[in-house]
Amino acid sequence: AQSVTQLDSQVPVFEEAPVELRCNYSSSVSVYLFWYVQYPNQGLQLLLKYLSGSTLVKGINGFEAEFNKSQTSFHLRKPSVHISDTAEYFCAVSDGGKSNFGNEKLTFGTGTRLTIIP
Amino acid sequence: DTEVTQTPKHLVMGMTNKKSLKCEQHMGHRAMYWYKQKAKKPPELMFVYSYEKLSINESVPSRFSPECPNSSLLNLHLHALQPEDSALYLCASSQERASGSYNEQFFGPGTRLTVL
Repeated sequence: AQSVTQLDSQVPVFEEAPVELRCNYSSSVSVYLFWYVQYPNQGLQLLLKYLSGSTLVKGINGFEAEFNKSQTSFHLRKPSVHISDTAEYFCAVSDGGKSNFGNEKLTFGTGTRLTIIP
Repeated sequence: DTEVTQTPKHLVMGMTNKKSLKCEQHMGHRAMYWYKQKAKKPPELMFVYSYEKLSINESVPSRFSPECPNSSLLNLHLHALQPEDSALYLCASSQERASGSYNEQFFGPGTRLTVL
């Protein structure tokens, strides 16, 4: 079984300040990890993903995340946020189809609402 | 074309109505998904179709009936819904998984459903 915990439901940050959104996961098999962003009244957009290799992953819009296996974490960071980053951010884990599903089953965290303060 | 489209954007229906949600992709993907997202909650998987065959049904009530008429289209037929079924319904698609690889799911913008 796999699960994702996003400890912060809301994170307010001043514009141009750095931000870190926390994500911890648990899984009985090796995992693929993702961050998705959802702007108001829109679907989900993939920000970045960790499949294997380098533990520091760079994504779109200046975001990056670091996979830490020992701490089972995959925190999302951005050095300087912009008003347009206001959105809901979801961390997700996939077992890569290693379960009996045959397709990637994504398990999402409860989300973190990032609010940028001008 | 890397887009998943969903129609309608908004739908209001009564508990006795029958309606359908539509999803379309032209990326050649062979796996398609329906998710339900309640307000301030994460998406929850409902159904997965793989090569036009239902491969996952996450114990969804029978008032939701999925249909995959071809590899580009996915429908969700709705009948006798309850007010608690009001939510954003998201469609996604991906390549069929090849051994040892990962296939990204591409999401549509969703249909916001209100059941009165």
